[in-house]
Amino acid sequence: AQKVTQAQTEISVVEKEDVTLDCVYETRDTTYYLFWYKQPPSGELVFLIRRNSFDEQNEISGRYSWNFQKSTSSFNFTITASQVVDSAVYFCALSEAGASGSRLTFGEGTQLTVNP
Amino acid sequence: KAGVTQTPRYLIKTRGQQVTLSCSPISGHRSVSWYQQTPGQGLQFLFEYFSETQRNKGNFPGRFSGRQFSNSRSEMNVSTLELGDSALYLCASSSAGGSYEQYFGPGTRLTVT
Repeated sequence: AQKVTQAQTEISVVEKEDVTLDCVYETRDTTYYLFWYKQPPSGELVFLIRRNSFDEQNEISGRYSWNFQKSTSSFNFTITASQVVDSAVYFCALSEAGASGSRLTFGEGTQLTVNP
Repeated sequence: KAGVTQTPRYLIKTRGQQVTLSCSPISGHRSVSWYQQTPGQGLQFLFEYFSETQRNKGNFPGRFSGRQFSNSRSEMNVSTLELGDSALYLCASSSAGGSYEQYFGPGTRLTVT
């Protein structure tokens, strides 16, 4: 069975600080996909990134960057120079490849609060 | 393109009643998935529909059911509501399902009293 663990329940930082959200996953598949979603207070999950298991290249998108390490089964997310608008719950998720369709397994989420 | 829409946004029902939630996916998307979010259990997968067929199902009792129409719109139904069914129900659409990114709607907040 697949599992995603986000050990950090809550993180509080001051604006402009860098912050890293941890994500550790478990799966028996060799092909799988990892995702990050943001959930602001409005409740809608906002897609941030999708990464497949064969692509360990780190990715940067503006102030966001992701570090995927298969050796440690981790897919961490860093926000550089955090802003108040980054305050939200962030979810890491895993999907196994195959013809069985979509099924995201989510972590527990990390509540990030960025204070001015 | 318009995003995923869900109706209604808020709903209050009484124990024992049934409820139907609706989801309209992004135009052109054929896969619709449903998730339940509660403070205790987090985000849990309910089921996925693709081209009007249920393709995947989570570990929920048979009281939870769904369907998809030819225009890809989907409905989910919960019969004999229990207090524990109070949750945010999120619908997600994807172009082909599988491991493509899923785009979520704003959710329906269901309260069972």
